[in-house]
Amino acid sequence: KAGVTQTPRYLIKTRGQQVTLSCSPISGHRSVSWYQQTPGQGLQFLFEYFSETQRNKGNFPGRFSGRQFSNSRSEMNVSTLELGDSALYLCASSPSSPDTQYFGPGTRLTVL
Amino acid sequence: GQNIDQPTEMTATEGAIVQINCTYQTSGFNGLFWYQQHAGEAPTFLSYNVLDGLEEKGRFSSFLSRSKGYSYLLLKELQMKDSASYLCAVRPEYGNKLVFGAGTILRVKS
Repeated sequence: KAGVTQTPRYLIKTRGQQVTLSCSPISGHRSVSWYQQTPGQGLQFLFEYFSETQRNKGNFPGRFSGRQFSNSRSEMNVSTLELGDSALYLCASSPSSPDTQYFGPGTRLTVL
Repeated sequence: GQNIDQPTEMTATEGAIVQINCTYQTSGFNGLFWYQQHAGEAPTFLSYNVLDGLEEKGRFSSFLSRSKGYSYLLLKELQMKDSASYLCAVRPEYGNKLVFGAGTILRVKS
């Protein structure tokens, strides 16, 4: 089975812009979670989607949003980018919820 | 709040055994995970504990004591490729939200 895929792998944006990141889960997986990883804060949970519904949300401002499609693919959007949004954004999928999560390679976002 | 503590760095010798500890204080508990992350790569799943006791999987074992809020990951017969960051994560509630510790960087020397 193919693993979790994320696109794009690298992205450079400027402050104030918005960005959309995409995640395709492992085939058959219905839950997708998003995490932000930075050197200072480590890995932090953003949100989880299961069967197109947001199941849980972390402590991030409303500029961070996401959605899940009927084929379980997910997107996350960050609006009005700030320098502090520079991070590795990781997507993880699991067959169900709760269940073991498997991570994708991440999208490295740099905000200038 | 949620608090997960693990040592920042550890060094061990090839062929040896190393134990990485993790203590947690979370609002709830619905399982503890260990992930391995090599520099520049995604975390990969190593082990899962939800009941007290030891789970063994090849060279890796993980232990959990819920009453003490404590877990450890045991790596045997260390290899150079085991040099990586090891992340302890707690699932504090029903669902897939994980709360991660800062990670322990393990350096294996020859």
